[in-house]
Amino acid sequence: DTGVSQDPRHKITKRGQNVTFRCDPISEHNRLYWYRQTLGQGPEFLTYFQNEAQLEKSRLLSDRFSAERPKGSFSTLEIQRTEQGDSAMYLCASSQDRVGNTEAFFGQGTRLTVV
Amino acid sequence: AQSVTQLGSHVSVSEGALVLLRCNYSSSVPPYLFWYVQYPNQGLQLLLKYTTGATLVKGINGFEAEFKKSETSFHLTKPSAHMSDAAEYFCAVRMNTGGFKTIFGAGTRLFVKA
Repeated sequence: DTGVSQDPRHKITKRGQNVTFRCDPISEHNRLYWYRQTLGQGPEFLTYFQNEAQLEKSRLLSDRFSAERPKGSFSTLEIQRTEQGDSAMYLCASSQDRVGNTEAFFGQGTRLTVV
Repeated sequence: AQSVTQLGSHVSVSEGALVLLRCNYSSSVPPYLFWYVQYPNQGLQLLLKYTTGATLVKGINGFEAEFKKSETSFHLTKPSAHMSDAAEYFCAVRMNTGGFKTIFGAGTRLFVKA
């Protein structure tokens, strides 16, 4: 199965530390999305890439957050100086910009706990 | 801007009873519509989707949903609930232009009583 892969699945960090998550999309997909899901809420859009270009960022993406997709394949999401409010599930999704492709495919997520 | 409203953060049904989860959306143009299911500490699994054509769509695990443009609704139903249906359900819309990002509702947690 070559679905969307996220690593790590779980991360516990101390407040103030930096963390980085990785997402490997489905190989031929040119669009990649990051979402954040807090407890009891639906996923909220953070940012998306078309190939290596970051085309949209939500206002939820504070200055402590940065995302990259350097070669248009895998992506990383870094959170600097983590806060307890950053505790959430971070979901990655990918899609192919082609007629007939209608949905994004989601990974299993990375659950971040900031203590 | 697109938005999704799911009526009822929690729904409880008895095993064997009808499941009805409500979803309304706002969009200036007809979007793609989806229902996802999420089990604890898991990612999102696509249940079903509406893109074009037949307004009644069938998905996995016996679920179906009907797109009603006049009501801007996409309610999810299942004739007979099973214990394994207990999970969180998310309605979502995705525009077929621009960023193509998916917008989710807040979710409805389904409880199934024995």
